[in-house]
Amino acid sequence: DQQVKQNSPSLSVQEGRISILNCDYTNSMFDYFLWYKKYPAEGPTFLISISSIKDKNEDGRFTVFLNKSAKHLSLHIVPSQPGDSAVYFCAARVLGNTGKLIFGQGTTLQVKP
Amino acid sequence: EAQVTQNPRYLITVTGKKLTVTCSQNMNHEYMSWYRQDPGLGLRQIYYSMNVEVTDKGDVPEGYKVSRKEKRNFPLILESPSPNQTSLYFCASSQGRRYEQYFGPGTRLTVT
Repeated sequence: DQQVKQNSPSLSVQEGRISILNCDYTNSMFDYFLWYKKYPAEGPTFLISISSIKDKNEDGRFTVFLNKSAKHLSLHIVPSQPGDSAVYFCAARVLGNTGKLIFGQGTTLQVKP
Repeated sequence: EAQVTQNPRYLITVTGKKLTVTCSQNMNHEYMSWYRQDPGLGLRQIYYSMNVEVTDKGDVPEGYKVSRKEKRNFPLILESPSPNQTSLYFCASSQGRRYEQYFGPGTRLTVT
């Protein structure tokens, strides 16, 4: 059972426009949500995170929104750049002592020049 | 340069032949973890370690072993690999369980 879901396998946007990547979760026992970005032949790299007690976190062009009642989070990239083209994974950290992360399936973002 | 390294990067092997994928980090991180990435499933945790000699199972530990004898190293051992272990494997480390994890470049394993 997939506890963290990214229902859109791919997204294509024009350079300069907004990219919105979505993620849904089914378990309330998460204390942090994270977004990772992955280029081909490389490992995922941390992008931005949000605590479960917040509803928004912003870092430059990247903003993550958390809607706890809907169990939904989204990553906004504004403005999108061709270098943002990558696979984006959302992840949720399990509450407790393990540091365990549950990942979504990933969304491939293509930003067209 | 702060990094997580994995070796080998690519490996093709046959069913039943024991193999080890090494993972090393130079950031003095306490927490280390192994994941496998499969199409449509994202990354799934295999094993994790919160410190030297402390390891525990993740979501998909069957068929894998790990050890943590030194802080910097966390090898993944497949005693008798099977074709369903064909996957892309990532090692990760973090300062502690509450910090973001840094990933290695990945090891693509094919078991025939």
